[in-house]
Amino acid sequence: QLQLQESGPGLVKPSETLSLTCTVSGGSISSSGYYWGWIRQPPGKGLESIGTIYYSGSTYYNPSLETRVTISVDTSKKQFSLKLSSVTAADTAVYYCARLQYSDYVFDCWGQGTPVTVSS
Amino acid sequence: EIVMTQSPATLSVSPGERATVSCRASQSVSSDLAWYQQKPGQAPRLLIYGASTRVTGIPARFSGSGSGTEFTLTISSLQSEDFAVYYCQQYNNWPPLTFGGGTKVEIK
Repeated sequence: QLQLQESGPGLVKPSETLSLTCTVSGGSISSSGYYWGWIRQPPGKGLESIGTIYYSGSTYYNPSLETRVTISVDTSKKQFSLKLSSVTAADTAVYYCARLQYSDYVFDCWGQGTPVTVSS
Repeated sequence: EIVMTQSPATLSVSPGERATVSCRASQSVSSDLAWYQQKPGQAPRLLIYGASTRVTGIPARFSGSGSGTEFTLTISSLQSEDFAVYYCQQYNNWPPLTFGGGTKVEIK
C-alpha cells in the first residue's frame, strides 16, 4: 500500500527558504505512470497546487509561485522535495505531498500533510 | 489560469437527504474534472475523476455529472460520514492544476 510522508521544519522565518521532503513507501517513485506533487492549504482556506515532478526530473510549477519554487527528486532515496524561497506569512499553510496520475491528472494518494508557519 | 467556482459555500442537509454541489469552470475543461472529499484534520480523498467515474471503493451514492464548464457532485442519501468539505479540480489545462474554493456539507 502506497504511503507518502512529509517532513521538515514546522516554523520558518520570513524571507527564509521553506524546505520539505516527501518520502514514498510501499511503491515505486520511478513508475512511468505517475507524477509527484505538492499542494498547500492555508488555514481555513482551499487547496492550491504548487508544482509537480516526474521521476526523470521534469517539473511543472504553478506560475504564481514559479519564481520562488524548486521541486527535485531523489529516486535512490524514494524522496521528492520542495523548496520555497523568500517566504512570508502568506505562505503559512498545511503542505501536502501527493501522487498525480499520468493519465488523468488527479491526485490519487496523499500524505497526511505537515503544517508550516512563517513567523519570526 | 482556469478558475473553478463552487456553489454553495455551505450546504445544510439532513441525514438521508440528497446533496448537490456545483462547480463551474471559467472556460471549458471538457470532462477533465475531479472531485475530492476532505474531513477535518485529514488530507483530501479522491472520489471521482473524468467528471463521472468513481474511484474504486467509493460508494455508489456519490455521482458526478457535467462537461464543459458546468459540473455537479450528487450524494444521493447523505450518511453521517459524508459530512465534509468537497472540492472540484480541473486538469484540462495546466499548470496550474486548479481547485474550486470548496463546499462544506454540514448537518442540518
